[in-house]
Amino acid sequence: GAVVSQHPSWVICKSGTSVKIECRSLDFQATTMFWYRQFPKQSLMLMATSNEGSKATYEQGVEKDKFLINHASLTLSTLTVTSAHPEDSSFYICSARAAGLRNYGYTFGSGTRLTVV
Amino acid sequence: KQEVTQIPAALSVPEGENLVLNCSFTDSAIYNLQWFRQDPGKGLTSLLLIQSSQREQTSGRLNASLDKSSGRSTLYIAASQPGDSATYLCAVLTGAGSYQLTFGKGTKLSVIP
Repeated sequence: GAVVSQHPSWVICKSGTSVKIECRSLDFQATTMFWYRQFPKQSLMLMATSNEGSKATYEQGVEKDKFLINHASLTLSTLTVTSAHPEDSSFYICSARAAGLRNYGYTFGSGTRLTVV
Repeated sequence: KQEVTQIPAALSVPEGENLVLNCSFTDSAIYNLQWFRQDPGKGLTSLLLIQSSQREQTSGRLNASLDKSSGRSTLYIAASQPGDSATYLCAVLTGAGSYQLTFGKGTKLSVIP
C-alpha cells in the first residue's frame, strides 16, 4: 500500500533557527502533497498544497515566507520553518496523493513534533 | 465552504460495547469520505474510504456508512477493545484541482477495560 515517510518525528530547536521537515512517498509518485498543522486537541488545519515542480499554494493566514515548501521531485516535499519562534511549536503532518488517483484515499506521514525553545 | 462536524467530541465506553461515531458535512458535493484514526502524538492511519457512489464500507469490526444527500456518515465499531482507544477523524474530499481534504475535529474514544 501507499506509504508516506516523514522525518524527523520530533525536533527541538532554538528560537530564530530554521528547521526542515521532509515528507517522502515511498512506493508511489505524489504529484501533490499537503502540509497540515495540528494544535493540541484540535483537528488538522491545511497550511499549503505542494505541487511537484511548481510553487506551493498557501492557505489564507499562512506566511509563505516563514513556511517554505519545496516539492522538487515526485517523491519528496520539504517544509522549512524559518526563523522559528515558540508560537511555531506544533505538530506538523504531511499527506500525499498519487497522480491520477482522485478516487483513492490520502496517505499521511507520522507527523513531526516541533518544539521551539 | 465545506464544514465537517463530528459528534460526540469524546466518548467513553466499557470494553465489548458496540458504538457509533457520527460525522456530518455541509456540502454534499464530495468525491469521497475517509475515516482516520490518530493515536496521541502520531500521524493518521486510514481506516475506511467510501466513494461518493457507495453507501458503506467494512473492514473487520469497523463499518462506515455514507448518506451523501443528507451529508452524514457514521463509523460503527463492534465489540470495542481497549486498543481502539484513539481519536477518530472524519474527512471529506471536495473541490477541483488539488482535491482538498476537510477534517472534522474528531471524536476521542476511550474504551475502558
